Amino acid sequence: EVQLVESGGGLVQPGRSLRLSCAASGFTFDDYAMHWVRQAPGKGLEWVSGISWNSGNMGYADSVKGRFTISRDNAKNSLYLQMSSLRTEDTALYYCAKGRTNLYDAFDFWGQGTMVTVSS
Amino acid sequence: SYVLTQPPSVSVAPGKTARITCGGNNIGSKSVHWYQQKPGQAPVLVIYYDSDRPSGIPERFSGSNSGNTATLTISRVEAGDEADYYCQVWDSSGDHVVFGGGTKLTVL
Repeated sequence: EVQLVESGGGLVQPGRSLRLSCAASGFTFDDYAMHWVRQAPGKGLEWVSGISWNSGNMGYADSVKGRFTISRDNAKNSLYLQMSSLRTEDTALYYCAKGRTNLYDAFDFWGQGTMVTVSS
Repeated sequence: SYVLTQPPSVSVAPGKTARITCGGNNIGSKSVHWYQQKPGQAPVLVIYYDSDRPSGIPERFSGSNSGNTATLTISRVEAGDEADYYCQVWDSSGDHVVFGGGTKLTVL
């Protein structure tokens, strides 16, 4: 059974940093692209970032480019999102999602999310 | 950047057919994926590559894509289909994933 478990969320002040993690199990992690998708309270889905199976390709939403960094450790079956210079508009539930195959494919499994609240 | 436009809401009576549209410039040239999200839950993939169904998704869910509009069709709608539905594409021009704004399906 595929499982994606996010962690690392919490309350943080504007301008500070936070690192999210996603622990994956139930599939061969290093065969698939992975993504972060967020959802602000009461709002729709917003793609944040994606990374290919071997970290050779990465993409970022314009809203986070230069502030967020995606990475993965295939030996640990883990995905990360380093978030810096956080803004109040980054407040959202952050989902980890598995790519069905490559970076350009659909997301076939999602975690339950970890909440990030940016507030002073 | 590429924009996907969905109607904010669609209402349908039980047993009828719901059609949720996703508009985008020449979207027919892209692969469209659809997700269902029920309140308090993570999204679930219901259609990928325009019209393919993941295992476990009922045949009542189907998709099409042509010209400037992609459509998710739900036949014989049930109360349990009430949810938000999102379309998604990969925008190769910007190397971005793009989501539509979402459509709330209400079963009357």
